[in-house]
Amino acid sequence: NAGVTQTPKFRILKIGQSMTLQCTQDMNHNYMYWYRQDPGMGLKLIYYSVGAGITDKGEVPNGYNVSRSTTEDFPLRLELAAPSQTSVYFCASSNGAGGSGELFFGEGSRLTVL
Amino acid sequence: AQSVTQLGSHVSVSEGALVLLRCNYSSSVPPYLFWYVQYPNQGLQLLLKYTSAATLVKGINGFEAEFKKSETSFHLTKPSAHMSDAAEYFCAVMKGNTPLVFGKGTRLSVIA
Repeated sequence: NAGVTQTPKFRILKIGQSMTLQCTQDMNHNYMYWYRQDPGMGLKLIYYSVGAGITDKGEVPNGYNVSRSTTEDFPLRLELAAPSQTSVYFCASSNGAGGSGELFFGEGSRLTVL
Repeated sequence: AQSVTQLGSHVSVSEGALVLLRCNYSSSVPPYLFWYVQYPNQGLQLLLKYTSAATLVKGINGFEAEFKKSETSFHLTKPSAHMSDAAEYFCAVMKGNTPLVFGKGTRLSVIA
């Protein structure tokens, strides 16, 4: 059972470049999330989706875009990379919200912008 | 908006000693509360969760947490620390159908 799979695991970008972080889950979960983790700051929500075709902004959406065309996939797009986007990015999924909203996380994608 | 505060960014204990990681939440309505653990270079995994069924919640690896409404706290404990418990621990809160909000994390070190 693969769970939540993120690619790539590591990436170095130059300022102004664009890239997409891929996330796919095989648990048929409706809810999917993108968080970024910075040292000492915990995890901050970038975007989330409650189902195919539905996305919403989280706490720190600026500089990012998402789409949700299928239940399985939730890619995160960085259009013009900036040093402030250097971080570890985690994709997560869950079967529901509220008390049943246990999140299952991918292993993370470490992005460095130089 | 709900939030959680984790007291202490780094906690160090001796092997076999009590582990106590503190978490306080702010919410006008009792929320759902979670503890997650992150081992080095891995994603987060659920330790335990409070969903109002019982105030004392038992999780994996011998951890438990007690929901105290009067203190707005959800502290994580383990009677006897093991070397394998060294990791970062995150408290998180969810109210209704809103996404999880995480605390800043507490790094636990276990000294032999």
